[in-house]
Amino acid sequence: DGGITQSPKYLFRKEGQNVTLSCEQNLNHDAMYWYRQDPGQGLRLIYYSQIVNDFQKGDIAEGYSVSREKKESFPLTVTSAQKNPTAFYLCASKDRVISGANVLTFGAGSRLTVL
Amino acid sequence: AQTVTQSQPEMSVQEAETVTLSCTYDTSESDYYLFWYKQPPSRQMILVIRQEAYKQQNATENRFSVNFQKAAKSFSLKISDSQLGDAAMYFCAYRSADSGYALNFGKGTSLLVTP
Repeated sequence: DGGITQSPKYLFRKEGQNVTLSCEQNLNHDAMYWYRQDPGQGLRLIYYSQIVNDFQKGDIAEGYSVSREKKESFPLTVTSAQKNPTAFYLCASKDRVISGANVLTFGAGSRLTVL
Repeated sequence: AQTVTQSQPEMSVQEAETVTLSCTYDTSESDYYLFWYKQPPSRQMILVIRQEAYKQQNATENRFSVNFQKAAKSFSLKISDSQLGDAAMYFCAYRSADSGYALNFGKGTSLLVTP
């Protein structure tokens, strides 16, 4: 079945450590996105990528980094520079860069807790 | 940047009754898309309904319908014959051309369904 796989589902990190969240899709989607979800804050865009080897900062990119070396993969690294990394992280993808429908498909999410 | 406002942090409805969730947005664009997503306790984001701004007819999906008022920049979701499985967070979202066609989300409305 086609979909988006995020791993790990739960992750614990000590302060000062970098951690990488995986996002893999087999939908052949061009565009991929990372969102952060905090209680009462909705979803906020961290980074997005419309094509391989290209990505752009979203609204809250500070303390995060990404890469897009393959169409199906868009990993997110939470660096030690991120002041408050404890959150729920959602990865999403979309089938065409310029599409009126623009329906995002989401992964199941990763919960990161900093100890 | 477009903003999406959901003014009801929590709503409650009895089973089989009807409930309306409010959403307003701010934009200078004339052509855009609006969405409602549902996030149950599993935290999986599920598309409920979408509306193209150029269509005057309100979108409907089974028990879910919207009241789209373009001039007022209002996009409310009506859930008819509410079921226990409708209990979830509901997010209103606007498609932004500014960020690779990512979605801008409101902060969400938590819907409680009582027997």
